[in-house]
Amino acid sequence: DTGVSQNPRHKITKRGQNVTFRCDPISEHNRLYWYRQTLGQGPEFLTYFQNEAQLEKSRLLSDRFSAERPKGSFSTLEIQRTEQGDSAMYLCASSSLGRSTGAEAFFGQGTRLTVV
Amino acid sequence: AQTVTQSQPEMSVQEAETVTLSCTYDTSESDYYLFWYKQPPSRQMILVIRQEAYKQQNATENRFSVNFQKAAKSFSLKISDSQLGDAAMYFCAYYSGAGSYQLTFGKGTKLSVIP
Repeated sequence: DTGVSQNPRHKITKRGQNVTFRCDPISEHNRLYWYRQTLGQGPEFLTYFQNEAQLEKSRLLSDRFSAERPKGSFSTLEIQRTEQGDSAMYLCASSSLGRSTGAEAFFGQGTRLTVV
Repeated sequence: AQTVTQSQPEMSVQEAETVTLSCTYDTSESDYYLFWYKQPPSRQMILVIRQEAYKQQNATENRFSVNFQKAAKSFSLKISDSQLGDAAMYFCAYYSGAGSYQLTFGKGTKLSVIP
């Protein structure tokens, strides 16, 4: 296990289509996060899982977005009816439990979504 | 809500010289963590250095050190003996774990290293 893995690395889709991204966290990490990063900006928080439970969601996460983490292992982020404004880098991160170690997130390489 | 501000969109430094990147933040919490993350072009974000707010001593990691001023809510990153591989986007981030588990990031500073 060499780190957080995200697939695909790049996705081009037509407006209105659905897309799904996958994240495999570091195996012993209980916490998993999704962030979105647009050009020239820092990452913005989308949602947080502790094991299989989705404990926190940002107001950025519209009803077209849904995330799951079945069995507390990998996670998927689905965007339905994509819009051009959804074009961004989607980052996944994981961390261990514990307030100190849990603060330190390890990031994947991201999935770059382009909606045309 | 917590906010993180990086006022320098771009910085440059000569190879082997020292550069300081600035970050300020706003919070009502007393216990929190601050981080500097590095994001090279087309590569993943990696942690450079972390600082616990309850610690008065500034964190250091090899050529990287911070100047943490809690009262001023300031958290700057100093890179000494800059190397070409230091060229990247640098993001300052805040985490409290009190009521929210998210990292709050600044907009980043693009650092260029001139040979």
